Amino acid sequence: GESVGLHLPTLSVQEGDNSIINCAYSNSASDYFIWYKQESGKGPQFIIDIRSNMDKRQGQRVTVLLNKTVKHLSLQIAATQPGDSAVYFCAENNTNAGKSTFGDGTTLTVKP
Amino acid sequence: DVKVTQSSRYLVKRTGEKVFLECVQDMDHENMFWYRQDPGLGLRLIYFSYDVKMKEKGDIPEGYSVSREKKERFSLILESASTNQTSMYLCASSLSGAYNQPQHFGDGTRLSIL
Repeated sequence: GESVGLHLPTLSVQEGDNSIINCAYSNSASDYFIWYKQESGKGPQFIIDIRSNMDKRQGQRVTVLLNKTVKHLSLQIAATQPGDSAVYFCAENNTNAGKSTFGDGTTLTVKP
Repeated sequence: DVKVTQSSRYLVKRTGEKVFLECVQDMDHENMFWYRQDPGLGLRLIYFSYDVKMKEKGDIPEGYSVSREKKERFSLILESASTNQTSMYLCASSLSGAYNQPQHFGDGTRLSIL
């Protein structure tokens, strides 16, 4: 059967490994989801987004998966590099509300 | 690239002072937002604006007000600063339209109230 990953506040991976960061969202009416990366001393930076009519979207080295049945979002980073070390946030938008609700972040540490 | 500029990276003020945090974006975005970010509490929305002279309360508006006199500028005002308003403040902007768009953030203002 399909498993859904737990949200972890911290994640440590070896350089070159793949990373998976999980997020549970709260509002079943949310129809737009975004992943942000926040490096130390900087504001969050947009990585990738997905709308509710899709269940997967790929970018450069990143993939976002959306499971609306269990209200779960994940970010997969391929061949993780030291520059990927940061805090990663998911955010959900409800079109009617027009604003984002942010999840608890996950701190990713990449070990050389 | 969208640039969101916050006027100060670090700011130290005293209890009871009126504090102004300024934010300017250069991409003609309709939507602008103010958040505060605290350890263990994530990003919390203070106020947002969909247009000039328009404002909406977010999740934690108490003790704050905002001003948007021009489309590119969104100011956060602490009417009478208190120590519990010591925090990282983040401004963001986004395009309006039929579909939601990602927000673009500034690098934040770390505000200390003594």
